[in-house]
This record gives sequence, structure tokens and C-alpha cells, in this order.
Amino acid sequence: AQSVTQPDIHITVSEGASLELRCNYSYGATPYLFWYVQSPGQGLQLLLKYFSGDTLVQGIKGFEAEFKRSQSSFNLRKPSVHWSDAAEYFCAVGTSGGYQKVTFGIGTKLQVIP
Amino acid sequence: EAGVVQSPRYKIIEKKQPVAFWCNPISGHNTLYWYRQNLGQGPELLIRYENEEAVDDSQLPKDRFSAERLKGVDSTLKIQPAELGDSAVYLCASSTLAGGMETQYFGPGTRLLVL
Repeated sequence: AQSVTQPDIHITVSEGASLELRCNYSYGATPYLFWYVQSPGQGLQLLLKYFSGDTLVQGIKGFEAEFKRSQSSFNLRKPSVHWSDAAEYFCAVGTSGGYQKVTFGIGTKLQVIP
Repeated sequence: EAGVVQSPRYKIIEKKQPVAFWCNPISGHNTLYWYRQNLGQGPELLIRYENEEAVDDSQLPKDRFSAERLKGVDSTLKIQPAELGDSAVYLCASSTLAGGMETQYFGPGTRLLVL
């Protein structure tokens, strides 16, 4: 069975600073990887996904993530954080091919200070 | 394009009462999911439908939870009777395959509080 670890439950960054959210996964085959963002009282919005190909994936809102097979990681990055990025971020891993069984991490809550 | 619609957005009930949640997926999406998200956790799958067939309900607590997706479009998730531990956000998601790959799109969720 697959699993996801998000080691940082809460992160605080200053507006304009760079951001990196960590995600490690466990899965026996090539994973399908996702990052979702959840604003308070809202559902999950897909930021980006990795299925295959280029290991650096660009997403919406200026986010990117890099798949590193050797480290079983899929860290999310943004070069300059905006106050509106304050939210909870979930990394998820899906089984390969077709319809998926997706497992989510527990999330990282991002606080942005002026 | 309209997203996944869920209602109600909030529900407060007393324990042992029944409750039902409704979901309308994105038009054309044949696959529908119900997830439960406990406070401070990620979503956990309860049930997955393909059209009107429940293809994965292994994590649905069948003693008190039930779900249906008549006509393969809208879906209802029911809890009867509700327990204190059922307080959570219930998320509905829908998806379709494009190029052999699937992406799930989530609704805003129903926040349930059981007193």
C-alpha cells in the first residue's frame, strides 16, 4: 500500500520569501503524484501533478514541484510567496495507470506574515 | 464549467440522528468519490463509483453509512445513526480519464458536527 509523509505540519514564511514544502512517498511502482491546496472552508484545488516525463512540473499560481525518485520525494516550491498563498497544502500519491487509489498526506499549514 | 457541487455546506445534528449529504459531479465525469476529512488530517476515501456502480467501498463503515448514485450522476451519502466521531468534512470528488490519466476535482465539502 502507498503512503505519504509531510514532515512539516506548520510552516511560517514572510511574504516575498521562497517556499519549499516537503513530501515523501512510499509506493512500489512508479507513482502518480499530486499537490492540492485547501483554503479555509473550501475543497481541494489541484496545483500540479506528475505522471511521467520531465521531473520538474509546473503548476498553477506560480508553484512547481520536482520528482526525485532516488529520494522518494516530490517537494513543492514557489520562489516568492504572496499573502494569498496562506492555506493548507496536501501531497498525494496515486497508483499507476487508469483510475487511481489516491492516498493523501496529513497536510502542511502555511502561514504568511507581512 | 461548473465544478463539483455539494450540499448542505454545514450540518449540525445530535448523535443518533440521521444525516444525508448530496453531491452533483462535473458534467461528463463518470467516476465519483466520497472522502472523509477529519480535523488536521488529509482526506480518506470512503467509496468510489464508476457510473452507478460502487467499485470500491472497502473503507465505508457499512453498519451506519450508505451511499447511492442513481442514474450515475448525483450521489447521496447517508449516515444513520450518526455518532460523535463522525464529525468531519465530507468531500465529494469527480474525475474522468483523459489520455489514460485521471485527475480528481473536489467539491467544497459538507462540514458535519455531531453533538
